[in-house]
Amino acid sequence: DAGITQSPRHKVTETGTPVTLRCHQTENHRYMYWYRQDPGHGLRLIHYSYGVKDTDKGEVSDGYSVSRSKTEDFLLTLESATSSQTSVYFCAISESIGRNTEAFFGQGTRLTVV
Amino acid sequence: GIQVEQSPPDLILQEGANSTLRCNFSDSVNNLQWFHQNPWGQLINLFYIPSGTKQNGRLSATTVATERYSLLYISSSQTTDSGVYFCAAFYNQGGKLIFGQGTELSVKP
Repeated sequence: DAGITQSPRHKVTETGTPVTLRCHQTENHRYMYWYRQDPGHGLRLIHYSYGVKDTDKGEVSDGYSVSRSKTEDFLLTLESATSSQTSVYFCAISESIGRNTEAFFGQGTRLTVV
Repeated sequence: GIQVEQSPPDLILQEGANSTLRCNFSDSVNNLQWFHQNPWGQLINLFYIPSGTKQNGRLSATTVATERYSLLYISSSQTTDSGVYFCAAFYNQGGKLIFGQGTELSVKP
């Protein structure tokens, strides 16, 4: 199994509080991704990173920020959590985007905003 | 635009039946993968298949890159095959990994 660890695995937080989710990898892969999964919407890309300090937005980036200060860690921050951000969050990693490469996923983080 | 589309959205099978899931993708994506999300929410890699055919036990997949589609075959289905099957592909420029909406499979005993 790919070495990907998401933390925390479960979190309940109050509306308006900041929340940071962590994705840690031991594979030294260049690309890292954050997705959210909601019923009826599949997996939607929030932000991704293509290297240290290099990030870009996905399709549902509003209300989220990310940081990648070292290869192994990709942080997702909800600056002021809202109930609409209640979701399951997945991190993924990929060595590259060229041929002969695969993406692998972490176990997910279930976030509830009350 | 970037598109990855799956069909059917839902599928109910009797145990032992065969099924075919389809993924159509636009010409701006490549390196197709298939994943299975089990009832506990884990995303399991099934196949990395940018082109050609691969088999793994009762599962096989075929991608025809020139016609922009991929098929996932499940033979002699078992209740443990239940869950959601996703296909995904990398966008050619910039590195986004784009998912289809998934096919929810339910295999009844």
